[in-house]
Amino acid sequence: QLVLTQSPSASASLGASVKLTCTLSSGHSSYAIAWHQQQPEKGPRYLMKLNSDGSHRKGDGIPDRFSGSSSGAERYLTISSLQSEDEADYYCQTWGTGIEVFGGGTKLTVL
Amino acid sequence: QPQLQESGPGLVKPSETLSLTCTVSGGSISSSSYWWGWIRQPPGKGLEWIGSIYYSGSTYYTPSLKSRVSISVDTSKKQFSLKLSSVTAADTAVYYCAREDDSSGHPGAIDYWGQGTLVTVSS
Repeated sequence: QLVLTQSPSASASLGASVKLTCTLSSGHSSYAIAWHQQQPEKGPRYLMKLNSDGSHRKGDGIPDRFSGSSSGAERYLTISSLQSEDEADYYCQTWGTGIEVFGGGTKLTVL
Repeated sequence: QPQLQESGPGLVKPSETLSLTCTVSGGSISSSSYWWGWIRQPPGKGLEWIGSIYYSGSTYYTPSLKSRVSISVDTSKKQFSLKLSSVTAADTAVYYCAREDDSSGHPGAIDYWGQGTLVTVSS
């Protein structure tokens, strides 16, 4: 079964970096994912599509502070030089043959 | 870049059918490169994929809602629509439409989202 696992919460200080993790279920380590950001009281925004080899394609206007990487079944979103507006929920999404799945989301707090 | 806008009633009675439409502007709904999907988010909870449609009319639905969901497309109006029947309070959510890239003939990564519309199920 295709499942994505995310930690419910993360925190980091203003100006620091943070690395969020999205883990693919067993047998699905070659799958690509997409990262989405949802700021408080707003709809989601596409950040990037991230492949198993770490290559990624960012959405329109996404700052260079956002980057992605991969290792095995883990997919990472790294945000550097954290700003207050980065405080948001971050969701990963993947897809298979006629199905799409979201992770439970990680709530990022900027201290 | 495309823009997607949801429209439809904000209040639906229990047991009735929820109907929403998404209008696409700034791009072609008939492109072979994309699928068009519906996602929902109950208050305070995470995202749930409902289903997706290709411009040709091919559809995929999430198994848990498959018996109650229907998605259709009208390419002449650049719109696609969601119908969810026999709704209950558990279907109260913000409903988003989205564009998804084509992944070997199936819906893939969402790259554009609508702003979302809240639908409340209540008598």
